[in-house]
Amino acid sequence: DAKTTQPPSMDCAEGRAANLPCNHSTISGNEYVYWYRQIHSQGPQYIIHGLKNNETNEMASLIITEDRKSSTLILPHATLRDTAVYYCIVRVAMGYGGGADGLTFGKGTHLIIQP
Amino acid sequence: DTAVSQTPKYLVTQMGNDKSIKCEQNLGHDTMYWYKQDSKKFLKIMFSYNNKELIINETVPNRFSPKSPDKAHLNLHINSLELGDSAVYFCASSPRRSSYEQYFGPGTRLTVT
Repeated sequence: DAKTTQPPSMDCAEGRAANLPCNHSTISGNEYVYWYRQIHSQGPQYIIHGLKNNETNEMASLIITEDRKSSTLILPHATLRDTAVYYCIVRVAMGYGGGADGLTFGKGTHLIIQP
Repeated sequence: DTAVSQTPKYLVTQMGNDKSIKCEQNLGHDTMYWYKQDSKKFLKIMFSYNNKELIINETVPNRFSPKSPDKAHLNLHINSLELGDSAVYFCASSPRRSSYEQYFGPGTRLTVT
């Protein structure tokens, strides 16, 4: 699976959009980009995933560059409860021999929402 | 309703003991997992279990054994506990094998003294 690179920490003001970057320059054509977060003392929480098109759900938006070498997770109106470690994970798509061996979490980005 | 639950939340025990952590999911998912988060906060897969098929991470000692009485439960048994087993253990589930949209439990903090 492709390796990902994320900044170790970021700050964002409450109410503003939080933009979290992820570099995955070695991503291959059958790999998805997944985002999870872990709020302090809780289990990881799935946020969103995508292959090449931009995706949006009730939690966030995922913007993937055309060459797929990087992506940005956008929290449109950050709140204090969004303070967490955010993980960008690249995994082989279903049906391509992926799965079963679980997710591999790196160090992630510690996002701190400032009041 | 809690989607993925674990018991106990905290577990303190002595070296050499045998302990179990229970996990239940009410999402109707087919696949369940156990992850370990160490003191440096790295989260690593230990096992995945789907339809009686167990996939084991090769780095996990054989003192650890998952047991699934039914599709909704995946318990973790640990024999002869060691100091290095101290960590937070997370159970997770997903709709099917090869789905990376996983739902995690709240974790069990195991402390071995």
